[in-house]
Amino acid sequence: GQQLNQSPQSMFIQEGEDVSMNCTSSSIFNTWLWYKQEPGEGPVLLIALYKAGELTSNGRLTAQFGITRKDSFLNISASIPSDVGIYFCAGPRGAGNKLTFGGGTRVLVKP
Amino acid sequence: AAGVIQSPRHLIKEKRETATLKCYPIPRHDTVYWYQQGPGQDPQFLISFYEKMQSDKGSIPDRFSAQQFSDYHSELNMSSLELGDSALYFCASSLQGRTIISGNTIYFGEGSWLTVV
Repeated sequence: GQQLNQSPQSMFIQEGEDVSMNCTSSSIFNTWLWYKQEPGEGPVLLIALYKAGELTSNGRLTAQFGITRKDSFLNISASIPSDVGIYFCAGPRGAGNKLTFGGGTRVLVKP
Repeated sequence: AAGVIQSPRHLIKEKRETATLKCYPIPRHDTVYWYQQGPGQDPQFLISFYEKMQSDKGSIPDRFSAQQFSDYHSELNMSSLELGDSALYFCASSLQGRTIISGNTIYFGEGSWLTVV
């Protein structure tokens, strides 16, 4: 079935750093969504990508939809402590709107 | 702006008991989705409803059932609870049954924590 693989699984950030995370699939997705989830809360939509090659920004976040439609990356520039959380990529599978989620990238603050 | 409202936020049940979770979608949203997220896991799709009819089904156990009511709120009923049912249950909603590909956006609630002891 369609699966999304995220890397890295976790990362440490230092305030001011730029960070990047990837999402890949063996199958084509027509839409890629990036969500952020904080502990005990629901996923919050950050960026939605609808066209291959599309590059979209939302504040300090930038995401791109790969040309092959099998991958996407999310960049966070000038990270701040509140960027901590789990970032999920997701895409619709089948004819409906049910989402397949990647395993998530856990962003933590460097001690 | 109003978001997806879920209740209760926390629920503790014993094995073999039943539980009911409620979801109130964003106003005018007519589609609701239920997801289950186990500890350290990504959310897994359970079931969805559009205009009060089941529109899609995922990995929902036979012990679970759900429905959408005329005011578009939805309830997830879980019976014969097992320890493995302990998870965060999310409801999400979207507008007018349009597909994500056409630009429809799915919004998630804050989730209901179910602990089975």
